[in-house]
Amino acid sequence: SQKIEQNSEALNIQEGKTATLTCNYTNYSPAYLQWYRQDPGRGPVFLLLIRENEKEKRKERLKVTFDTTLKQSLFHITASQPADSATYLCALERSFQKLVFGTGTRLLVSP
Amino acid sequence: DAGVIQSPRHEVTEMGQEVTLRCKPISGHNSLFWYRQTMMRGLELLIYFNNNVPIDDSGMPEDRFSAKMPNASFSTLKIQPSEPRDSAVYFCASSSTGGNQPQHFGDGTRLSIL
Repeated sequence: SQKIEQNSEALNIQEGKTATLTCNYTNYSPAYLQWYRQDPGRGPVFLLLIRENEKEKRKERLKVTFDTTLKQSLFHITASQPADSATYLCALERSFQKLVFGTGTRLLVSP
Repeated sequence: DAGVIQSPRHEVTEMGQEVTLRCKPISGHNSLFWYRQTMMRGLELLIYFNNNVPIDDSGMPEDRFSAKMPNASFSTLKIQPSEPRDSAVYFCASSSTGGNQPQHFGDGTRLSIL
């Protein structure tokens, strides 16, 4: 069956360190993958999209990698700040315009 | 620019009552999505529309759920009759049409069925 896995346990790191979040999937061949941020009581907010033919994508302090052989995406936040604390969701294209979301990983950045 | 607007933000009602959730997508977006989020199942797609036409409703849990999009600026998700297991946060999202477009979410309706 198709599955997307993100670490269910919260990731705690210190301010200034690099946070790395993992998204693994099975039985999908997505043409692209998206990452979203969700704060408590708010809807998800789009951060980055990476296509299957792209190995890496960067936006300011964010970096996403996409390894279609390993069926894995890594999401990095460099020089993390307490304001980066949130839940981060990965989403795969299941079919045209249909996204399937992982359950998210909660990131806590301590001062 | 206004984002996706959902109403109400919170709804508490008794089992058996009809519930109507409302969504105004971002102007110019051709695609609209309804999701449900729970702790157990995460964020699940219920139905989506392109140009006001329902394209895929395979995620709608059962006949008690229905969705409409009478025009490009308004959609409703209705549950009738409601049950306690329908309690969740319901999100509406919109996007431009296209396979790799980001989706823009509203802040959701937190629904509690007693």
